[in-house]
Amino acid sequence: DIQMTQSPSSVSASVGDRVTITCRASQGISSWLAWYQQKPGKAPTLLIYAAATLQSGVPSRFSGSGSGADFTLTISSLQPEDSATYYCQQGNSFPLTFGGGTKVEVK
Amino acid sequence: EVQLVESGGGLVQPGGSLRLSCIASGFTFSNHEMKWVRQAPGKGLEWVSYISSSASTIYYADSVKGRFTISRDNAKRSLYLQMKSLRAEDTAVYYCARRSYGSGDLWGQGTLVTVSS
Repeated sequence: DIQMTQSPSSVSASVGDRVTITCRASQGISSWLAWYQQKPGKAPTLLIYAAATLQSGVPSRFSGSGSGADFTLTISSLQPEDSATYYCQQGNSFPLTFGGGTKVEVK
Repeated sequence: EVQLVESGGGLVQPGGSLRLSCIASGFTFSNHEMKWVRQAPGKGLEWVSYISSSASTIYYADSVKGRFTISRDNAKRSLYLQMKSLRAEDTAVYYCARRSYGSGDLWGQGTLVTVSS
């Protein structure tokens, strides 16, 4: 199984700050990497797929990069509504696996 | 409106069974691969099962293999998860999701399954 390791597990930043979350796969997954945002009590929503493609309707302050085993989600200018938990997920092979999540707090 | 709506969750005793349903609307259900993902209280996301658009290919997580069965009825635009021999560790919110480019681009609101005596 492919293990997905996310870091940090939590981050606290101010409005306007740049926030970076990393996700490392235990083996190469090409660009089969997705990022999700989940707010308390809600279903996850897709932010990025294919490592760097922004899902329709997602603000452009979100961006993804990487390929192979190392990936990054960047929020270029943090907004209050970005307070949430973020997950990466590999779609390269079954079983599909998720990272442990990163909780983003907006100060 | 493009959406997925789950139902069928509830309280069940250990060893019991439950069948979850997910009804799709606003898109051509039969063209899409689907999956179930769950989230235990206060925990992260865990993939449970996958089914191809024609149901010809199915996968399960090891944690549910032999106990859960995924199926679909394209005529009814419905996805199902039959769960048997339920354990306390199966307690979670269960989400159905549409699979696209290896990700889940559309999710339902979730249905809570609680396994407890």
